[in-house]
Amino acid sequence: AQSVTQLDSHVSVSEGTPVLLRCNYSSSYSPSLFWYVQHPNKGLQLLLKYTSAATLVKGINGFEAEFKKSETSFHLTKPSAHMSDAAEYFCVVSDRVGGATNKLIFGTGTLLAVQP
Amino acid sequence: KAGVTQTPRYLIKTRGQQVTLSCSPISGHRSVSWYQQTPGQGLQFLFEYFSETQRNKGNFPGRFSGRQFSNSRSEMNVSTLELGDSALYLCASSPGYTGELFFGEGSRLTVL
Repeated sequence: AQSVTQLDSHVSVSEGTPVLLRCNYSSSYSPSLFWYVQHPNKGLQLLLKYTSAATLVKGINGFEAEFKKSETSFHLTKPSAHMSDAAEYFCVVSDRVGGATNKLIFGTGTLLAVQP
Repeated sequence: KAGVTQTPRYLIKTRGQQVTLSCSPISGHRSVSWYQQTPGQGLQFLFEYFSETQRNKGNFPGRFSGRQFSNSRSEMNVSTLELGDSALYLCASSPGYTGELFFGEGSRLTVL
């Protein structure tokens, strides 16, 4: 079975400082991994995705994530936080047991607060 | 290009009633998925449709059903509502099976 574990439920940073949101995955084969963001009272938006082409994945709004197979991790980073980054972030794995699918398994989310 | 549109955005029902939620995908997207979001269970997969066929179903009781029409629009129905069905129901569309989903803003259901 595939799963993702987000290691922090809440992260607070100051504006202009780096952001690190941690995610570990479990998968019986090469996973498709994603980070989605949800701003208050909004739907989810794709930040970036990993599908084995490159281990360092760049996304929108300056975010990036590195796939580390040896550590089964897919942490999300950003060099400098902006107030508009305050939101909930979800680490996600595609459940491809039955083949190509849009069935996604979501982590429990990390709420990012950005202090002025 | 218009995004994913969900209607209604907010609704209140009482236990035992039924509800139908509607989703219009992005033009050209043939895959529609539904997710339930609650504070306790988080985001959980409900169904996935492609070209009017249900391809996947999550672990929800039979009270939860859905369908997709020939124009790719989708509906989901919950019958005999329970208090625990109170949630944000999110619809997402995709042009294929890449996992890159475009979400609507959701339908927030409150069951009293």
